Amino acid sequence: LAKTTQPISMDSYEGQEVNITCSHNNIATNDYITWYQQFPSQGPRFIIQGYKTKVTNEVASLFIPADRKSSTLSLPRVSLSDTAVYYCLVGDRFSGGYNKLIFGAGTRLAVHP
Amino acid sequence: EAGVTQFPSHSVIEKGQTVTLRCDPISGHDNLYWYRRVMGKEIKFLLHFVKESKQDESGMPNNRFLAERTGGTYSTLKVQPAELEDSGVYFCASSLERAAQNDEQYFGPGTRLTVT
Repeated sequence: LAKTTQPISMDSYEGQEVNITCSHNNIATNDYITWYQQFPSQGPRFIIQGYKTKVTNEVASLFIPADRKSSTLSLPRVSLSDTAVYYCLVGDRFSGGYNKLIFGAGTRLAVHP
Repeated sequence: EAGVTQFPSHSVIEKGQTVTLRCDPISGHDNLYWYRRVMGKEIKFLLHFVKESKQDESGMPNNRFLAERTGGTYSTLKVQPAELEDSGVYFCASSLERAAQNDEQYFGPGTRLTVT
């Protein structure tokens, strides 16, 4: 699976937009990009998944440039409850590699009042 | 709909003892996964069941760990005998099917295992 690199931590304030960028230079043609969120004392929770261009759901947007070597998770108007660790994962959805999620260190987002 | 549940939420045992962790996936989910995070490290994959069959157990650390999923419903992960380095949080996850449009994995809250 492609190795991912993302910032260790980020700070923001309530109401701001937060963008977390993940680098995945060795992404393969069949790889999808998936983001998970984890709150303290809970398991990770799926946020969003995409292959290229832009994906948006009720929680976040995912921007993927044409070369797909990076992706940006965008959280609009964060609140204190968005304080969590965010993981970027890359893998092939249709092979055994995807089912085996490989987590990195993630980005620890702290939202301040 | 109930999510993935795990039992117990926390277990404290002595080195050399046996512990069995249980995971109940979301009803109807054929895929069940075990992961763990040991102190200071990243979440690591342990194994993957498809129904009652082990699809991938490449992440199991050694033969002290035994996972079962009899009948393709709930799963157990037994550690026997437990060692200090087994301490950590054990997560279970389930998903509907591999090739689905949205095959996200749903995680349980985890079991915190402390071996003293």
